[in-house]
Formats: sequence, C-alpha cells, structure tokens
Amino acid sequence: LAKTTQPISMDSYEGQEVNITCSHNNIATNDYITWYQQFPSQGPRFIIQGYKTKVTNEVASLFIPADRKSSTLSLPRVSLSDTAVYYCLVGDISNTGRRALTFGSGTRLQVQP
Amino acid sequence: DVKVTQSSRYLVKRTGEKVFLECVQDMDHENMFWYRQDPGLGLRLIYFSYDVKMKEKGDIPEGYSVSREKKERFSLILESASTNQTSMYLCASSGNSATNEKLFFGSGTQLSVL
Repeated sequence: LAKTTQPISMDSYEGQEVNITCSHNNIATNDYITWYQQFPSQGPRFIIQGYKTKVTNEVASLFIPADRKSSTLSLPRVSLSDTAVYYCLVGDISNTGRRALTFGSGTRLQVQP
Repeated sequence: DVKVTQSSRYLVKRTGEKVFLECVQDMDHENMFWYRQDPGLGLRLIYFSYDVKMKEKGDIPEGYSVSREKKERFSLILESASTNQTSMYLCASSGNSATNEKLFFGSGTQLSVL
C-alpha cells in the first residue's frame, strides 16, 4: 500500500542546505503531506505538514508543486544532530474505505562534519 | 503536549508465548495505530483503530490481533510469538480530522522472541 517514494539515503556536510524529495503520484485531493524525523531507538516525530505551495516553520520548509505529485523537504544549514531518517507520509485508504497511514521506507540522512 | 505511552521499552519472550503490548494516549484521540519497524523496511502498519471496539487490518496483520476497549488504550496481541516477530513496535495516535492527521508516537517497544 506504500504510496510514497523517497531516496534511500543522502549525505551532506554541516552548514549545507539539504533537500529531500518525495514522490506521491496518487495523492488524493484532500490529503495533506506530512514529514517526520526519526532518530535511532525513538519513535518518529512530526516536522512539518502542508497541502500546497510552501510552508515554513522554525525547523524546515516544505515545497509542494501545483500538481501535488511530489514534495520537497528543505533543511537549511544542517548540523550533525540532523542525522536521522526522514519519512514523508500521505493518507491511504484501506480495503474497507477507512483511512490508514502507511509510511514509505524513508530517507537516511547522514551529516558529516 | 500529547503523550503516547508504551508499557515496556524492552521485552523478551519465548516462542509460543502470548504477548501483550500496551499503548495509552492522553489526548482523547480517535485514531490509534500499531507499526513494526525492522532494519531496511521502514515502518509497516499492523493494525489501526478509528473508534472504540473498531479495528482494521494494515499491511501486515498476520500473527497479530488488537483490542480497543477504551478510547485511550490500544493493545497489540501476539497470540503465539514467533522469532520472526522480533522487532521494534511503535504505537501512534492521531486526532479526529479526516485528512489532516498528525501522528504522535510512543517511544517504542523492542521485542525479542527467543
């Protein structure tokens, strides 16, 4: 049922901007796009959510094109502590029509000094 | 802040045992979820519940069952634990919006089945 596709891994250096793109070709009209961050041995935690165009908070920006078939999480000036797995999530519909929330495999970001 | 609490951080069980993983949330959320996470496979949805006594299968329900007798509590049950159920189990909850879900996760239970 996975509805999203992301790169498996990315490498960066401290101070650089990192952009992680997620493909969600079958996104439904009412779906929001949500990104999560996960550190080892912890549950994922919410980073940012958007529906269209651009959303910015104190942690990241989220860019969503007009067709909404993809989204890009932008992390400005990453630090070592941003090393984590990043997941994008859109809604999903189960066989009985209920909304499920299924994750893709995520993107493992490694930030080097 | 929303708090999702999983009863055990680490659990070791033997093959064939019946295992209960408990999850409690304190924000009156309608929706609760159980995921398992294995290296290289991301998070996979086992079961979810959108109301008390209601449940639905996720992607990998085989070998598991769930119980939601009260709104704040969602239990995952391994009827007869097997070694391939060794994994990190994550519980999550979300609010009532039909489309704007924000998931809140517990810290996870690392289950080892010997």
